[in-house]
Amino acid sequence: EAGVVQSPRYKIIEKKQPVAFWCNPISGHNTLYWYRQNLGQGPELLIRYENEEAVDDSQLPKDRFSAERLKGVDSTLKIQPAELGDSAVYLCASTSGSYEQYFGPGTRLTVT
Amino acid sequence: AQSVSQHNHHVILSEAASLELGCNYSYGGTVNLFWYVQYPGQHLQLLLKYFSGDPLVKGIKGFEAEFIKSKFSFNLRKPSVQWSDTAEYFCAVNDNDYKLSFGAGTTVTVRA
Repeated sequence: EAGVVQSPRYKIIEKKQPVAFWCNPISGHNTLYWYRQNLGQGPELLIRYENEEAVDDSQLPKDRFSAERLKGVDSTLKIQPAELGDSAVYLCASTSGSYEQYFGPGTRLTVT
Repeated sequence: AQSVSQHNHHVILSEAASLELGCNYSYGGTVNLFWYVQYPGQHLQLLLKYFSGDPLVKGIKGFEAEFIKSKFSFNLRKPSVQWSDTAEYFCAVNDNDYKLSFGAGTTVTVRA
């Protein structure tokens, strides 16, 4: 069974530029999460989807961050415009009716 | 919101030494507890989990953890580490919500 797929794995952009990350969860997993992991810290939840509905986006900085999961399968997280402080690893995770989450490899974003 | 504290930022030890990593959380109600591991260059993987029942849980690769409710702790142990255990270890907690709260992580370096 394929795991959670994320792309790109690495992204370097200049500040004020837009950037997007893509995630394809494990097949059949209806719950999808986006996390941000800053250097030296644990992952922090940005948004959680149940199918195509964002059920918890309280930690998403909505002035510059947006996310979508239009068909309840894959998802895109966007930042526009990016700031220096957005440099981090962006993780996607999925689960299916369980508290156990399966993580993708992450996208390492560097904003210069 | 949950608060998860990992006592050690970086642990260095020799092969065959015993390992214990501390984890404490703040929530006083029913919790689900996890230890995740991230090997160099790899994604987060579940090491072990506790939902209910026997407070001593065994995970993969010879790891175990003990849930002590009175101490709000879920410490990770391994009697004899190997060089391949070099990784970053994260404790995570949820309180029957799907939101995971992570500790800051402990980097474990095992010297051959």
